Amino acid sequence: KQEVTQIPAALSVPEGENLVLNCSFTDSAIYNLQWFRQDPGKGLTSLLLIQSSQREQTSGRLNASLDKSSGRSTLYIAASQPGDSATYLCAVQLSYNTDKLIFGTGTRLQVFP
Amino acid sequence: NAGVTQTPKFQVLKTGQSMTLQCAQDMNHEYMSWYRQDPGMGLRLIHYSVGAGITDQGEVPNGYNVSRSTTEDFPLRLLSAAPSQTSVYFCASIPDRVTWFSGNTIYFGEGSWLTVV
Repeated sequence: KQEVTQIPAALSVPEGENLVLNCSFTDSAIYNLQWFRQDPGKGLTSLLLIQSSQREQTSGRLNASLDKSSGRSTLYIAASQPGDSATYLCAVQLSYNTDKLIFGTGTRLQVFP
Repeated sequence: NAGVTQTPKFQVLKTGQSMTLQCAQDMNHEYMSWYRQDPGMGLRLIHYSVGAGITDQGEVPNGYNVSRSTTEDFPLRLLSAAPSQTSVYFCASIPDRVTWFSGNTIYFGEGSWLTVV
């Protein structure tokens, strides 16, 4: 059974720091992996999607990498800002013909001025 | 476009009561789904629909019922509420299943907080 783990569960950093969020999955046979942002009381917003054939994706100050063989993905946030404060979730899609995303429990990030 | 709209935002139910969580999208998306989010467990898929008139079960379907009579609406019914159904419920949509398998963006509603006492 695929399990997705995110460590740490919470992170507090000063503004301007570069930081890395981790996502681990137990079964390397995934179709793709997505990173989401969730603000308090809000839904999820898709940030980056990495297909299983890709190694990384970039959007602005965000860079997500994928290492299927080791069952790991990282989300790198450069020059963090208070507006980056949110919960970040990763989710894996198991195969081409499945509708289910397996979510991690998230990392709650606080960036203080 | 309003995107994905969920109502109500908050609801308190007594054990045994029934209710419907509403979900509507105005993006003409074929694919809609319901997830629940519980502390320490991540989001889990309850039911999904690939188009009007077609629904299927996800990972945790027991105690819930869905229907899809129109493209826009995908209500989630709690038949007889139990304290274990206390959770945050999210509705999501994507344009179609082909797009979904290509890894297109999934759109989430803002959630419905349900407490069963």
